[in-house]
Amino acid sequence: NAGVTQTPKFQVLKTGQSMTLQCAQDMNHEYMSWYRQDPGMGLRLIHYSVGAGITDQGEVPNGYNVSRSTTEDFPLRLLSAAPSQTSVYFCATTGQGSTEAFFGQGTRLTVV
Amino acid sequence: AQSVTQLGSHVSVSEGALVLLRCNYSSSVPPYLFWYVQYPNQGLQLLLKYTTGATLVKGINGFEAEFKKSETSFHLTKPSAHMSDAAEYFCAVRLFSGGYNKLIFGAGTRLAVHP
Repeated sequence: NAGVTQTPKFQVLKTGQSMTLQCAQDMNHEYMSWYRQDPGMGLRLIHYSVGAGITDQGEVPNGYNVSRSTTEDFPLRLLSAAPSQTSVYFCATTGQGSTEAFFGQGTRLTVV
Repeated sequence: AQSVTQLGSHVSVSEGALVLLRCNYSSSVPPYLFWYVQYPNQGLQLLLKYTTGATLVKGINGFEAEFKKSETSFHLTKPSAHMSDAAEYFCAVRLFSGGYNKLIFGAGTRLAVHP
């Protein structure tokens, strides 16, 4: 039982490149979300999903796309990386009726 | 709109001393409140939460927090700090929107514990 698994753990991109951050969960949770963590700003919600096929924007969605084709997976795509997207990205899941969010270990992304 | 303010981005205490991390919130509805801890290069782990009922909430590792509605506060305390408590701590409030329980986080407080 791995919980929430994020890959890769570290990534360096050049400006303009695209990539996908992976998030997989084995807890059968309906709700999944992506946050970015920046110094002095806490965690800010990028996108979230309330179930397979359903996604919505969070607080800072620009420059990111998501899809949810299965319950288990919720990838985050950077379309054209910018230095402002240098951050630590966390995926989180919550079960229906629960108040607790479970977080992955994070992906540290640097855009140069 | 819900929001969270954590007073003090850095707190330093001696081992064995009281830990007090401050959190104030604003919420238009009765709040659900959370404290998460993040150890270096790790994800966030739930320390404790307040939903309803008893206002003094006990969590893991000897931490507790008290919900004070009149002060809109949810401060985190631990009577005696241990070196292993060094981490970053985040206070969060739940926002229910779009059929989803979103978490609104404070900016975080980094706790240092020195011998």
